Parts: sequence; C-alpha cells; structure tokens
Amino acid sequence: QQQVKQSPQSLIVQKGGISIINCAYENTAFDYFPWYQQFPGKGPALLIAIRPDVSEKKEGRFTISFNKSAKQFSLHIMDSQPGDSATYFCAASRAQGAQKLVFGQGTRLTINP
Amino acid sequence: EADIYQTPRYLVIGTGKKITLECSQTMGHDKMYWYQQDPGMELHLIHYSYGVNSTEKGDLSSESTVSRIRTEHFPLTLESARPSHTSQYLCASRLSQGGSPLHFGNGTRLTVT
Repeated sequence: QQQVKQSPQSLIVQKGGISIINCAYENTAFDYFPWYQQFPGKGPALLIAIRPDVSEKKEGRFTISFNKSAKQFSLHIMDSQPGDSATYFCAASRAQGAQKLVFGQGTRLTINP
Repeated sequence: EADIYQTPRYLVIGTGKKITLECSQTMGHDKMYWYQQDPGMELHLIHYSYGVNSTEKGDLSSESTVSRIRTEHFPLTLESARPSHTSQYLCASRLSQGGSPLHFGNGTRLTVT
C-alpha cells in the first residue's frame, strides 16, 4: 500500500522532444505528489508538485498530469534540453501529519543534443 | 537553494568504527528526515523527526540512531559501521504546513571497508 511504481527506468530523448515519465501509487490516502530532479553528486531538488484537486499543473516546460481514478500521475518535459539530463523521482505522501514521502524507483533521463 | 548542510560529503571508514553524520538546516523547519539512497536508486526513509526531542523510525529498518536536541540539528550515528552500511545518506527538512516542499542536503557518501 505504500509503494510508488515509476517507469521507465531509463529514457533517451532527442533535444527538443517530449520526455514522459509515469508513476502509479496504491495508497488512496496520499494527497501530495511531487517530482524531484537529481543531478550526480547532489541531493534531489523539488521540480513541481500537484494536489489531487486538479488534473494538471504546468510550470514552464514541466507539466504534471494527474488521474485520481487510475491512481496515476506523469511528468511531461516539453522541448527537452541537454541540461534536463538527470534522474527524476516521483513521490507521494499525505499532506498532513508526518508527511513521509514515498519515492518511486527513479528514471535516468538522457537528452541527446 | 535550500540551506541544509551535511558533513562530511565523503567518508571512508573501517568496520567496527563509530561514525556520526552531521545535518544542519538554517530555515527553522520543524520536520527533518534521513533517507538512504544507493547511487541513482530509490530513496528509503530511515528516520524522521517532528521537532525537538521527537524521533521516529522510518519505513526502512536501519541500525543507525538519530537525535534532535536542537531544531536546526539532526545527526545520525552508527555505533559500529559494517560494509552493509555503505550507501549515500541524505538529510532533508520541511515546514509543518501541508504540501510544503522537502529540501534535501547534498548527502554523505559512506564507504565502510
């Protein structure tokens, strides 16, 4: 019930293309869904997050799509750039209480120039 | 950039030694967390704290211990290091309000020989 499943494990996209990473969760009590970006040698950094009261959130080139009935959410990176090459983690938690984030397995994204 | 500091960045130590990984944040965050991450892999919560004098075990069993005597400081201790403890340890903090972002340090990469 605590798992968050992320796919694909790795992804190669050409510069200017769209990168899509998918996640599925099991615990219906989760109501906070962030995406983190991690570069080698650094800690993860928050990219964008969504609450289940909306189906989509966009910040610049990054969009989260959320499907509550399917318990799935995805990250879309438009006009992907070489600087976007990193490992991406989806996560989920309750917005209140301990707010313990459960992370997906990670996706290593490579943008070819 | 979040103000959360971890020292040391890298540590190579022999089996049986006692080690303490330091974590400090200057943002006045109540909640602090320790995650364990093998390189490029999923993050697993090993400890968290609601505030001063509050510590709880995370979802992944760990032989480490933590303390929270001051709001800004959340050190992690291993009494007797073993090769199985080799991993990256990430400290994080956040405000208590719902949906507030989790800020990570850059981690300590521990190698036990």
